[in-house]
Amino acid sequence: EVQLVESGGGLILPGGSLRLSCAASGFTVSDNYITWVRQAPGKGLEWVSLLQSGGNTYYADSVKGRFTIYRDNSKNTVYLQMSSLRPDDTAVYSCARGRLSREGFDPWGQGTLVTVSS
Amino acid sequence: QSVLTQPPSVSAAPGQKVTFSCSGSSSNIGDKYVSWYQQLPGTAPKLLIYENDKRPSGIPDRFSGSKSGTSATLGITGLQTGDEADYYCGTWDSSLSAGVFGGGTKLTVL
Repeated sequence: EVQLVESGGGLILPGGSLRLSCAASGFTVSDNYITWVRQAPGKGLEWVSLLQSGGNTYYADSVKGRFTIYRDNSKNTVYLQMSSLRPDDTAVYSCARGRLSREGFDPWGQGTLVTVSS
Repeated sequence: QSVLTQPPSVSAAPGQKVTFSCSGSSSNIGDKYVSWYQQLPGTAPKLLIYENDKRPSGIPDRFSGSKSGTSATLGITGLQTGDEADYYCGTWDSSLSAGVFGGGTKLTVL
């Protein structure tokens, strides 16, 4: 079964750092595009970052310079390293496979909640 | 403010047809394929339509998609109460070099 499972969320102080994990099963992350999407409480979907199969990375302006996406092929896992966290980064962070403007995002993980608060 | 514009809500009666609009620009919808997602309360989004009008396996033909110029449309026929959800459009924006979503439309089946 093709599946993505996120972990690593939690409560973090403003200015702190956190690393989220997106573990894949049923497919190889290095052969696919993996994207992080977040959803603030009661709000809509926000695209965050993309790691292409070839290794190119892209970021939303709101996180550029603060977040880094990368993968560990040996663990078949994609990570989102987040630093200089702000209260408006509070959201459920989900990862998804695919290209938004081609085959679409499928599947999605269930998400992990990040709360940035003092 | 989302790059793609969707109405906040739509409503219709069971059995009826409803459409969701998604408006963008030449750097996103006008240049790229659009995908649509259904998010039921408390669950992860689910892919409904990709490449403007294609349905993944398992998605019933009650769901359809189309694109014209810088706008895209999702349609649902034979509305069911189980269709009550938030619906999002998404695509790539070549000017931003980033993915973009609409703000989402909440469907109420009266």
